[in-house]
Amino acid sequence: AQSVTQLGSHVSVSEGALVLLRCNYSSSVPPYLFWYVQYPNQGLQLLLKYTSAATLVKGINGFEAEFKKSETSFHLTKPSAHMSDAAEYFCAVMTTDSWGKFQFGAGTQVVVTP
Amino acid sequence: NAGVTQTPKFQVLKTGQSMTLQCAQDMNHEYMSWYRQDPGMGLRLIHYSVGAGITDQGEVPNGYNVSRSTTEDFPLRLLSAAPSQTSVYFCASSPNRLADETQYFGPGTRLLVL
Repeated sequence: AQSVTQLGSHVSVSEGALVLLRCNYSSSVPPYLFWYVQYPNQGLQLLLKYTSAATLVKGINGFEAEFKKSETSFHLTKPSAHMSDAAEYFCAVMTTDSWGKFQFGAGTQVVVTP
Repeated sequence: NAGVTQTPKFQVLKTGQSMTLQCAQDMNHEYMSWYRQDPGMGLRLIHYSVGAGITDQGEVPNGYNVSRSTTEDFPLRLLSAAPSQTSVYFCASSPNRLADETQYFGPGTRLLVL
C-alpha cells in the first residue's frame, strides 16, 4: 500500500521568495511520484513527475522537485514566487504493483503576497 | 482534441435520487478514473478502469457504480444520493501504461445533495 503526506495545508510566500512545498510518501516498492496544481474552479494540471529516471525533475512554470529515497520525500520548489503561482498543489503517488491506483495528498494551498 | 469532458458542471439532487455523471475523452486513453474532492482530504479515488470492459474499485467506491463499454466513455452512477456525496467530482484519463503515466483531468462536476 502507498500513502502520501503533505506537510502544511496552507503556505504563504512573498512574491519573489522561495516556494517550498513538502511531500513525503510511503511505499513498499519503487514509486512514481507526481505534483499537480489546481487553480480555482478548474481541474488538476500536471506540474512534473518522477518515474525512476533522474532524481531531480524539472516541470512547468519554473518548478522542480527532487526525489530522495533515503528521506522518502519529493519536495516541490520554485526559486522565485510569482502572483500567478497562487493555487492548490497536490502530491500523488502510484506504484507499478497497483498501476492506476493513484493516492493523492490532502493538498497545500499557496498564497502569494505582494 | 477536446481532452476530458464532464457533464453536467453543476447538479443539485435530493436525497435518494439517482443520477449519472458523464465523462468522455477523445485521446484514445486506456485508463480512466473518477475522484471526489472534499476540503482537506485531497482527491480520493472512487473507481477506475484500465480498458474497455474492465473496472475496479478505488478507495471510496460505496454508493457509486461504473461501467466502461467504450474506450471513450466512463460514466459514474449514483444509485441513491446521500448528503455525504456532496462533493466535486473529477474524471481523469491516462494513455497506455507503458507510454505515459500522466493523468489528464476534466473540469469537474459540483454535486450538491440536499
